[in-house]
Amino acid sequence: GDSVTQTEGLVTVTEGLPVKLNCTYQTTYLTIAFFWYVQYLNEAPQVLLKSSTDNKRTEHQGFHATLHKSSSSFHLQKSSAQLSDSALYYCALSSSGSWQLIFGSGTQLTVMP
Amino acid sequence: DMKVTQMPRYLIKRMGENVLLECGQDMSHETMYWYRQDPGLGLQLIYISYDVDSNSEGDIPKGYRVSRKKREHFSLILDSAKTNQTSVYFCASSLGQGNSDYTFGSGTRLLVI
Repeated sequence: GDSVTQTEGLVTVTEGLPVKLNCTYQTTYLTIAFFWYVQYLNEAPQVLLKSSTDNKRTEHQGFHATLHKSSSSFHLQKSSAQLSDSALYYCALSSSGSWQLIFGSGTQLTVMP
Repeated sequence: DMKVTQMPRYLIKRMGENVLLECGQDMSHETMYWYRQDPGLGLQLIYISYDVDSNSEGDIPKGYRVSRKKREHFSLILDSAKTNQTSVYFCASSLGQGNSDYTFGSGTRLLVI
């Protein structure tokens, strides 16, 4: 079946430095969409980014991600982390044959002053 | 304002009591979901509902059941709650199959003592 892997459970970065959260996937379907969800403390997860186009950069709120089907990856990056970026981030996959998103296990990002 | 509403936000129950978690959405989404979220385990799918009276088990259905009698309303029931069901429960809805993202409710924090 489909799977999403987020290798880091916890990432700590200093404010102003770049940050990268890794996401790789496995799927047997051709038509797929990818999402990054962000969950702030005591809040619901919400969509941060969405992409279904190979090799196209998608940006929102200073974050960007590019779907690379050749390497089965959809890493999330930001050039300058802010304290307000501290949150739990989930990578998720939606395939054409499924009614549900497949979530990774999540990465807790902590931005230190 | 499109949203998913969960009630209650916080709940404390004694072991063996029955628990009812309620979820409503105003977007006429066909598909609705119940997840639980535990530290280090991410979001785990309990049940998925494709429409009224059309429900399917997710990855961890044991100890839970659901009810969907109206498209806009989806309930999660714990018959005889157990301490290991202490968790944060999220309801979500989506348009369904394909590259549809989820809209999550704010969650219910359940403590079983």
